[in-house]
Amino acid sequence: GAVVSQHPSRVICKSGTSVKIECRSLDFQATTMFWYRQFPKQSLMLMATSNEGSKATYEQGVEKDKFLINHASLTLSTLTVTSAHPEDSSFYICGTGGGREYGYTFGSGTRLTVV
Amino acid sequence: GDSVTQMEGPVTLSEEACLTINCTYTATGYPSLFWYVQYPGEGLQLLLKATKADDKGSNKGFEATYRKETTSFHLEKGSVQVSDSAVYFCALSSYGQNFVFGPGTRLSVLP
Repeated sequence: GAVVSQHPSRVICKSGTSVKIECRSLDFQATTMFWYRQFPKQSLMLMATSNEGSKATYEQGVEKDKFLINHASLTLSTLTVTSAHPEDSSFYICGTGGGREYGYTFGSGTRLTVV
Repeated sequence: GDSVTQMEGPVTLSEEACLTINCTYTATGYPSLFWYVQYPGEGLQLLLKATKADDKGSNKGFEATYRKETTSFHLEKGSVQVSDSAVYFCALSSYGQNFVFGPGTRLSVLP
């Protein structure tokens, strides 16, 4: 199955700064990457779907100008949290893979803390 | 739209106890069903899956059977270990639809 590498695993940043999270598909051509956000002790909320070479599709209520997604190649998708604020502190996780037949493979997640 | 419901946790068990985590779903068509596990501080790992009715997924002593008649995919294990402590997510995937996760069930196994 697909192997997904997500980096960084943890990041602490100051309010107002931007943070970039990278998600690499190591052995799979990921035409689509899914970005989720997980609040403490809650389930995963799909934020957006990134598509290689085109604009990402954002879920309702997700600010596209705040959460910038780029999927420039078949192996790399990035999520940039712009002008981060404490309320953006969360666990972010990316996933890709075989969908209905094989399930998704997820990265190890990024815990973002904005201070 | 599609949805997944799981039993509310947390579930606390003693080592070697039997585990059942209930999962039911609502979907159009015939979805594939999955269980994912999230260990503390980590991402999600696929635990097992089933792609059609009556299929049984199994891995690491865990099992779940795709029951179309009851729209269920309950996770079971005969004897849990402390290392099984984690959050378990039931999920489904239908044609043309995004992956849908249940709310997760936290399991704590005490020695």
